[in-house]
Amino acid sequence: EPEVTQTPSHQVTQMGQEVILRCVPISNHLYFYWYRQILGQKVEFLVSFYNNEISEKSEIFDDQFSVERPDGSNFTLKIRSTKLEDSAMYFCASRTRQAQTEAFFGQGTRLTVV
Amino acid sequence: EDQVTQSPEALRLQEGESSSLNCSYTVSGLRGLFWYRQDPGKGPEFLFTLYSAGEEKEKERLKATLTKKESFLHITAPKPEDSATYLCAVNSEGGKLIFGQGTELSVKP
Repeated sequence: EPEVTQTPSHQVTQMGQEVILRCVPISNHLYFYWYRQILGQKVEFLVSFYNNEISEKSEIFDDQFSVERPDGSNFTLKIRSTKLEDSAMYFCASRTRQAQTEAFFGQGTRLTVV
Repeated sequence: EDQVTQSPEALRLQEGESSSLNCSYTVSGLRGLFWYRQDPGKGPEFLFTLYSAGEEKEKERLKATLTKKESFLHITAPKPEDSATYLCAVNSEGGKLIFGQGTELSVKP
């Protein structure tokens, strides 16, 4: 069964360092998303991406964040200068259409900023 | 503003003790309500999509129903392996999912 894969599963980084989280969405999907979940809190939307551009972003997704689809398979989230409050689980998701279809999530990357 | 509220926050059941989880939502035009299961340290796993009031979906011991203001996830004769956090989400305009805070279900043998 097709699935969304994320790497690494766990990343520890020093405050102020850059991190890149990687995702391989399901191959025939067109819409891609990043969400995050701080421990004990809701899953919250960060950004959506379609047709090689950002279609929507949340207030969390400031200038320190960027997304890229460098080739036909990978979808990355970059945090330029990590802060302690960036520590969270980051989930990539993909779906075939924007509305009325389910989104499939990866297993997540646990980011710990120290 | 689109919102999702789930109750209870936590639910403890004995194996075989049926119950229901609630998801109340406010959204400007429902474009789909989704139920996910999340195991500790894992990503949300898709369970059901509901589109219109009156719709019902079933999978093994789970049944999801939808009204104009809320959705229920009914668990019939649960087993310990049903223990997880169950998340409800609505599709907001633009396609992003708005999640509730989840119901943490624990089923004891």
